[in-house]
Amino acid sequence: EPEVTQTPSHQVTQMGQEVILRCVPISNHLYFYWYRQILGQKVEFLVSFYNNEISEKSEIFDDQFSVERPDGSNFTLKIRSTKLEDSAMYFCASSERDRAYEQYFGPGTRLTVT
Amino acid sequence: AQSVAQPEDQVNVAEGNPLTVKCTYSVSGNPYLFWYVQYPNRGLQFLLKYITGDNLVKGSYGFEAEFNKSQTSFHLKKPSALVSDSALYFCAVRDPNSGNTPLVFGKGTRLSVIA
Repeated sequence: EPEVTQTPSHQVTQMGQEVILRCVPISNHLYFYWYRQILGQKVEFLVSFYNNEISEKSEIFDDQFSVERPDGSNFTLKIRSTKLEDSAMYFCASSERDRAYEQYFGPGTRLTVT
Repeated sequence: AQSVAQPEDQVNVAEGNPLTVKCTYSVSGNPYLFWYVQYPNRGLQFLLKYITGDNLVKGSYGFEAEFNKSQTSFHLKKPSALVSDSALYFCAVRDPNSGNTPLVFGKGTRLSVIA
């Protein structure tokens, strides 16, 4: 069964450093998402991406964040200058189509900012 | 704006007994509703969804959920719980009238099935 994959599984970085989290969505999916989950808290939406552009973003997704689909398979989330409060589990998700279609989540990348 | 409430942080049930994990929602119009499960150190796995049609929806691993529009609820149920069902369960809602809206998740309910 196809699945969403994410690398790395765990990333440790120092405050102020740039990190890139990578995702490979399911191949025939058209919509891509990033969510994050701070330890012990709910899953929060960051950004959605369709047709090579951001379609929606939350207030969490400020200028420090960016997303890119550099080729036909990868979908990346970049944090330019990490802060301690960026420490969280970051989940990538994809869906075949919009709205009524379920999103399939990757296993997540645990980001620890020290 | 849409929102989801899961009123219970923790649900404990004995193996073999029926289980219910509660979810209520707030959204304008008719909602799209989803349940996901998260096992330790894993991502979220899709269980089931309600889009339209029959109010009782059946999903993976024997789970089902009932959409109740008058009570704005979408409780997750299973007739006979297994120890392996122990996990974190998230209810999520999506407004079908607002473009490419994201899933809005509840805070999660931890289900513990005791042998």
